Amino acid sequence: SQTIHQWPATLVQPVGSPLSLECTVEGTSNPNLYWYRQAAGRGLQLLFYSVGIGQISSEVPQNLSASRPQDRQFILSSKKLLLSDSGFYLCAWSGQERRSYEQYFGPGTRLTVT
Amino acid sequence: LAKTTQPISMDSYEGQEVNITCSHNNIATNDYITWYQQFPSQGPRFIIQGYKTKVTNEVASLFIPADRKSSTLSLPRVSLSDTAVYYCLVAPYSSASKIIFGSGTRLSIRP
Repeated sequence: SQTIHQWPATLVQPVGSPLSLECTVEGTSNPNLYWYRQAAGRGLQLLFYSVGIGQISSEVPQNLSASRPQDRQFILSSKKLLLSDSGFYLCAWSGQERRSYEQYFGPGTRLTVT
Repeated sequence: LAKTTQPISMDSYEGQEVNITCSHNNIATNDYITWYQQFPSQGPRFIIQGYKTKVTNEVASLFIPADRKSSTLSLPRVSLSDTAVYYCLVAPYSSASKIIFGSGTRLSIRP
């Protein structure tokens, strides 16, 4: 069966500090990978998605970046965090069977920028 | 991408059937209708998807009229554990596309 991991679960970082969130998927090959952010009480905002190693599509211009160094690894980074970067960050994957609407989410990372 | 509109919140009681309707007037021919459920501090969970008519699984039913401009998620005999946010979205049948989550419907179930 497939599983998706995210770490850390919670993170408190000062403004201006760097960020690295990691997501890994097990039990599947060549998944589509997604990063979302959810502000408190709001819907999900798609940040990045990737259909393969080194292929990243950015949805929202901001100080965040994403990388996919391996088939089942997706990393979200920032060189300098802003207060507005606080939120609940979710990684998701969908299968290569061309069903992008059926996504499976990780447990999330709650980021607080102080 | 087709925009969806659904009620901000709904209330119901245990044991009742709950129907959440979503409108998607600009749905495209190759779009599928999908519903997710999200509990606090968790990622959304895929519930059900359909293209037309009716789809039923162990969790819910999805009703889609012929014009596909709306859909209704039906939850039979809800319990307190069904309290969650429910998202309706439409997405094409493609391996390289994105899906857009709106604000969802916050469903509250009371004893």
